[in-house]
Amino acid sequence: GIQVEQSPPDLILQEGANSTLRCNFSDSVNNLQWFHQNPWGQLINLFYIPSGTKQNGRLSATTVATERYSLLYISSSQTTDSGVYFCAVDLTGGGNKLTFGTGTQLKVEL
Amino acid sequence: GAVVSQHPSRVICKSGTSVKIECRSLDFQATTMFWYRQFPKQSLMLMATSNEGSKATYEQGVEKDKFLINHASLTLSTLTVTSAHPEDSSFYICSAIRAVGPQETQYFGPGTRLLVL
Repeated sequence: GIQVEQSPPDLILQEGANSTLRCNFSDSVNNLQWFHQNPWGQLINLFYIPSGTKQNGRLSATTVATERYSLLYISSSQTTDSGVYFCAVDLTGGGNKLTFGTGTQLKVEL
Repeated sequence: GAVVSQHPSRVICKSGTSVKIECRSLDFQATTMFWYRQFPKQSLMLMATSNEGSKATYEQGVEKDKFLINHASLTLSTLTVTSAHPEDSSFYICSAIRAVGPQETQYFGPGTRLLVL
C-alpha cells in the first residue's frame, strides 16, 4: 500500500519561531489534507490541498503532486500550536478513505 | 460548521465484556462514516468504512466479528468491540462524510478512549 512519511517526527520550538513540516507519499493521490490533533485528541482540518499553495493566517501549505510531497509552514509559532500534525492522503479513486502519515509531534515553548 | 460527536468519550471495562461506541453527525446526514484506531504515540489507522443501509467494509487485518459496525441511520454509526481484551485498549475515532454538491468533506469526532482491564 501507499507509504506516507512525515518529518521531522518531533520538533521543539521557541514561541515566535517558524517551522516547516514535510510529508512524502509514495504514490499518486487524489487528495491530500493536513490535520492538527490537539492534546485532547481532536483532529482539526487545516488544509485540503491536493496541489498548489494555500494560506490561512500563520499557516500555509504547498503540495507538489508530481514530486509526491507536501509542506506545512508554521510562522510565528504559539504555544497553542502544540500537538501532532498529520498529513493524510486519499488514493486516486479511493472514495475518501484516508491514509494518515506518521505524524510530527510539535511542542512550542515559551 | 459540521459537527460529529462520539459517545462515550472515555470508557473503562473488564476483559471479556463488550463495549459500544456511538458516532453521530449532528447537523448533516452521512451515508458514509469511517472508524479509525490510534494507539499511543502512533498514527491513525483506518479500521472500516461504515455505509448506511449496507454492510461495513473492513480493512485488511481487522476482524469483522470482533469489531461490529452498524450504520442504522443517516446520522448514527456504532462500533461494538466484542469480548474486549487489554490489547484492544486504544483511542477510537470516527469521521463522517458531508456532501455539499460535488464536494465531500470528512469531519472527525472527538474520539473515545477505551481502556480494557
